[in-house]
Amino acid sequence: GDSVTQTEGQVALSEEDFLTIHCNYSASGYPTLFWYVQYPGEGPQLLFRASRDKEKGSSRGFEATYDKGTTSFHLRKASVQESDSAVYYCALYQGGSAKLIFGEGTKLTVSS
Amino acid sequence: GPKVLQIPSHQIIDMGQMVTLNCDPVSNHLYFYWYKQILGQQMEFLVNFYNGKVMEKSKLFKDQFSVERPDGSYFTLKIQPTALEDSAVYFCASSTGRRATEVFFGKGTRLTVV
Repeated sequence: GDSVTQTEGQVALSEEDFLTIHCNYSASGYPTLFWYVQYPGEGPQLLFRASRDKEKGSSRGFEATYDKGTTSFHLRKASVQESDSAVYYCALYQGGSAKLIFGEGTKLTVSS
Repeated sequence: GPKVLQIPSHQIIDMGQMVTLNCDPVSNHLYFYWYKQILGQQMEFLVNFYNGKVMEKSKLFKDQFSVERPDGSYFTLKIQPTALEDSAVYFCASSTGRRATEVFFGKGTRLTVV
């Protein structure tokens, strides 16, 4: 079945560091890919999405590019802030099955 | 933005009892979902629901689980009877359609089975 893999379980950075969280997926066709962010006590909130090969999604300085060749959708941010501390989930949505499949999540901690 | 409301935010229940978790989805949405998150772990799909019927359920959706949207308002998850391993945060979500480009989540109901 379809799946999403996030390599990093936890990432600890200092403010203004560069962030990369790796996401690879396994699915047929062209699923829509998402990055969600979850703060403590909250549900996941959409950061951005992409639905076509080479499409770049971005929001709040975060960005990721849909790469069908490498089946990846890596999250990057040039300069993180303490307020970016949260859990980040990569996810895919297959219209045919009408469900969102999440990766394991990456807990980002940014210290000042 | 659009809000999915979940009631209650926290429920404590004795093992073996029945519990109903309520979800008020976004008003024009047609697809509804439940996800389960054990503390510190990933979001796991339980079930999706459209046009009054379950479309797909995962292996986590045990026989003791059921979902319905009886009056077109609340989308409910019922667990009867509850077990200790059902303790988790349950998230309700909704989307506009099968080709929806965004699924909106509620804040979750933390269920503690004692």
